[in-house]
Amino acid sequence: DAGITQSPRHKVTETGTPVTLRCHQTENHRYMYWYRQDPGHGLRLIHYSYGVKDTDKGEVSDGYSVSRSKTEDFLLTLESATSSQTSVYFCAISGQGLNYGYTFGSGTRLTVV
Amino acid sequence: DQQVKQNSPSLSVQEGRISILNCDYTNSMFDYFLWYKKYPAEGPTFLISISSIKDKNEDGRFTVFLNKSAKHLSLHIVPSQPGDSAVYFCAARGTGGFKTIFGAGTRLFVKA
Repeated sequence: DAGITQSPRHKVTETGTPVTLRCHQTENHRYMYWYRQDPGHGLRLIHYSYGVKDTDKGEVSDGYSVSRSKTEDFLLTLESATSSQTSVYFCAISGQGLNYGYTFGSGTRLTVV
Repeated sequence: DQQVKQNSPSLSVQEGRISILNCDYTNSMFDYFLWYKKYPAEGPTFLISISSIKDKNEDGRFTVFLNKSAKHLSLHIVPSQPGDSAVYFCAARGTGGFKTIFGAGTRLFVKA
């Protein structure tokens, strides 16, 4: 969908390797989020950003780090991938108003073997 | 410790009938509630929301009801259509916050 893109869409990686997922937005929104979706758990917040270089942890941040050097890009890094990090990862953006829902990207399906 | 709970993993409804999806929450500091719809291989899309100062919000075929005393909200879809078949996520946000907590989702099947 226009406004937010995630790359790659699919990735298979080996246990112990670092992996970086990218989220790119063209909406100039302040807030950006990384969620993971797993059966029975719904969407769980990993990390979020409230501005360039301003990030914070979410519910399930262990094993993940993020960076935001530009408004439009929010990177999620799995420092040393484990099988428990096999999941679908979604990036989301939101504007200033708290009464707006998020706009989600199409997701990245990550498999750690 | 799930703060937002959707206790029904799935729901099956006949086309034209009402679909009712339920959601419970535990955190009394939540003051804004949202529903998202998700099709396979796509990201969730925002559907409808409600502020804690209201008890009902309607948008076309979709109505969300909020019962603050029971910490319960529901999404009604009337009439249900086959294209409504998707996973529906309930979500909640706290006062002054911008983090949203999601439930586990309910998969709705609308049979033609």
